[in-house]
Amino acid sequence: QVQLQESGPGLVKPSQTLSLTCTVSGGSISSGSYYWSWIRQPAGKGLEWIGRIYTSGSTNYNPSLKSRVTISVDTSKNQFSLKLSSVTAADTAVYYCAREAITMVRGVIAAYYFDYWGQGTLVTVSS
Amino acid sequence: QSVLTQPPSVSAAPGQKVTISCSGSSSNIGNNYVSWYQQLPGTAPKLLIYDNNKRPSGIPDRFSGSKSGTSATLGITGLQTGDEADYYCGTWDSSLSENVFGTGTKVTVL
Repeated sequence: QVQLQESGPGLVKPSQTLSLTCTVSGGSISSGSYYWSWIRQPAGKGLEWIGRIYTSGSTNYNPSLKSRVTISVDTSKNQFSLKLSSVTAADTAVYYCAREAITMVRGVIAAYYFDYWGQGTLVTVSS
Repeated sequence: QSVLTQPPSVSAAPGQKVTISCSGSSSNIGNNYVSWYQQLPGTAPKLLIYDNNKRPSGIPDRFSGSKSGTSATLGITGLQTGDEADYYCGTWDSSLSENVFGTGTKVTVL
């Protein structure tokens, strides 16, 4: 059973960089055709996809956050990480890491879906 | 601003059925498979349906999914108090090049 666990500071000052790590257990982060994603949810609001990384190091980011986001992977530690720069109060949210599976149809990716999630960690941006 | 629209809330009595709609466009639902997630209060989302209508192991067949054109629907039959949660649809948007989620629907068991 794959498990994911987020870790990192719960409080970040405005204009600084938010840094979180997701540790994967119960399976190798390098095995299978999976992406590894970050998703966030402000209090009382919906889900927002931040971006993903493949174990090759290839990344995709939400265009609205792309200029501030960096996702990296450390396969030796079975971890992947999120850095979000120049944070403001609008970045206050619960941050989830998740495994993203894909469905191939006739050689084309027809679906991406999140089959395992971490429990989430609240990050508050405040001075 | 989500590109996938869901009703804010639905409700029904125990044992009854509810359906939740998810409306999108040709760049998302129209050309990609849909997934559904259940988020119980204070917990992380959980995958309920993937590839429009498939259930992961352990998800009861009271939960079902379907897709037609640019809309998808989640159905819950035999409603239980434990089904009270927020439900989100999700898919890839080929024009935006990002994963998108629905606005979310709160299910209340009367």
